[in-house]
Amino acid sequence: DADVTQTPRNRITKTGKRIMLECSQTKGHDRMYWYRQDPGLGLRLIYYSFDVKDINKGEISDGYSVSRQAQAKFSLSLESAIPNQTALYFCATSDLGMNTGELFFGEGSRLTVL
Amino acid sequence: GENVEQHPSTLSVQEGDSAVIKCTYSDSASNYFPWYKQELGKRPQLIIDIRSNVGEKKDQRIAVTLNKTAKHFSLHITETQPEDSAVYFCAAILMRFGAGTRLTVKP
Repeated sequence: DADVTQTPRNRITKTGKRIMLECSQTKGHDRMYWYRQDPGLGLRLIYYSFDVKDINKGEISDGYSVSRQAQAKFSLSLESAIPNQTALYFCATSDLGMNTGELFFGEGSRLTVL
Repeated sequence: GENVEQHPSTLSVQEGDSAVIKCTYSDSASNYFPWYKQELGKRPQLIIDIRSNVGEKKDQRIAVTLNKTAKHFSLHITETQPEDSAVYFCAAILMRFGAGTRLTVKP
């Protein structure tokens, strides 16, 4: 089945370390997104990309960067991790604009920063 | 900026009762309103959505209503079952999500 795959699924790291979360998809969708989920705060958009040459900031992009290496791959980096970046991170894709179509989420990457 | 408020944050109902979750949004340009269900330890999945040119949409026990004038939309679940227990999220423009509602259906 076409799916959205995130790696790693779980990661524990220390303050100041560089971390990369990777996302790949076999859905053939052009649009990819990174969200962060914290208890009581819902899902907050970090970055999104509508094609390989397109990168856009979301509502909470500070402290994060992304790379769209190919249509199927979208990576999220934390250059210098800090404890308040401890969260569950979701990658998502859509074949229409985010205001018009369904988001398909990966299984999530749980990051703990000590 | 855009804001989506969701209420209540927690909701507990008896099996067979109805559940209603409401969201309000601030940007009048919003035209697509999805609802996602997230079961414990799983990814969010779309359960129903509505576009601004209709006022109501139903899918079996689930319905969504939209009031564009008042800028609010609601999820209605009838004849609730224990498997409806989950966190539900609404979303509006630029996929700004509400904070979520944890629904518990007691057998």
